[in-house]
Amino acid sequence: NAGVTQTPKFRVLKTGQSMTLLCAQDMNHEYMYWYRQDPGMGLRLIHYSVGEGTTAKGEVPDGYNVSRLKKQNFLLGLESAAPSQTSVYFCASRLGQETQYFGPGTRLLVL
Amino acid sequence: GQNIDQPTEMTATEGAIVQINCTYQTSGFNGLFWYQQHAGEAPTFLSYNVLDGLEEKGRFSSFLSRSKGYSYLLLKELQMKDSASYLCAAPDAGNNRKLIWGLGTSLAVNP
Repeated sequence: NAGVTQTPKFRVLKTGQSMTLLCAQDMNHEYMYWYRQDPGMGLRLIHYSVGEGTTAKGEVPDGYNVSRLKKQNFLLGLESAAPSQTSVYFCASRLGQETQYFGPGTRLLVL
Repeated sequence: GQNIDQPTEMTATEGAIVQINCTYQTSGFNGLFWYQQHAGEAPTFLSYNVLDGLEEKGRFSSFLSRSKGYSYLLLKELQMKDSASYLCAAPDAGNNRKLIWGLGTSLAVNP
């Protein structure tokens, strides 16, 4: 079991560029989450999904889109990157009310 | 509203005991999680309390009082590797598919 994996691990973008972050889990979890973590701000939920084909907004969804076409994958897209989106992005998955398992994170720098 | 509070920073000495507190305000209660996060890494699960009382797991213990909206994480026989951020989280009472996160307590263990 690989658990939760994220691709890429690190990326540098220029303002206005687009990119997609991929999260994959092999634990057959229904729920998946995208968070961003910034110094002094803690973990903030961007979007989440409670099952294949469903997505919902978290507390900071603006500037991001997501898709969950397959149960094991949850994609986070940035259509037009902004410096304010420089952050560490964590994906997590969860089975029901049990604990969330996190991926290793993606460090994104937007210049 | 719902809120989770924990101290920002704590310092302790190798071999000592440290208690990290977490208070929460929520209209309903569905358990409380503790996670550990080393610098540059993803959060990892430590404990989950649903019932009042102390749960022990090796050097780490977690306590919950639902009536007081209070939890603490107790770390015994501190080691240098315990230097990390400790995050407290609880299911959102309005939507328990999401977690409400504290900002984390940064613990520095000194020799």
